[in-house]
Amino acid sequence: KNEVEQSPQNLTAQEGEFITINCSYSVGISALHWLQQHPGGGIVSLFMLSSGKKKHGRLIATINIQEKHSSLHITASHPRDSAVYICAVRADSNYQLIWGAGTKLIIKP
Amino acid sequence: DVKVTQSSRYLVKRTGEKVFLECVQDMDHENMFWYRQDPGLGLRLIYFSYDVKMKEKGDIPEGYSVSREKKERFSLILESASTNQTSMYLCASSLWTHSGNTIYFGEGSWLTVV
Repeated sequence: KNEVEQSPQNLTAQEGEFITINCSYSVGISALHWLQQHPGGGIVSLFMLSSGKKKHGRLIATINIQEKHSSLHITASHPRDSAVYICAVRADSNYQLIWGAGTKLIIKP
Repeated sequence: DVKVTQSSRYLVKRTGEKVFLECVQDMDHENMFWYRQDPGLGLRLIYFSYDVKMKEKGDIPEGYSVSREKKERFSLILESASTNQTSMYLCASSLWTHSGNTIYFGEGSWLTVV
């Protein structure tokens, strides 16, 4: 079993829909990252969380440390949100990141 | 604006060639990382460095080596490229702390070994 699990693996939605991507992990962590990767490869860090909730524009990230779970929400989704969204956790024990496999999101106009 | 720059965006190399992938960051970060990304596998850590001249093996170091002679530069070396090293390679950097810090990525280098 992977230490970081993302769901769903693939998600296709219509423009305007509310999107939720989930990340569950099994290790103790000091931080959790949400990142976005567009076709072509470049990865952009969206959020780093250690507790609670963060919001940036139409993106919201939440984390529940007790349940070892985080969600990334996109409100009023748009085709330009189409990308792979990756969850990664920084384990308590070291400074390496443990990566989820990513969620491929396609927003249709 | 923070920046991680990978020197080559697209490379095609022959089997057996020595390949250098260069990465430079301008944020004075201690930590630098090299990952490869393959379809369906997510990011896998090859090597990382937490200081000049320091390096640690990641999950898949075989067939690779690294060099960090200056804080801002972290090089990935394929001593003798093989076709199974065809992949996208991502460099990243972050500040030194166990409490977590934003990680910054380069644009990626697409390597094809023929």
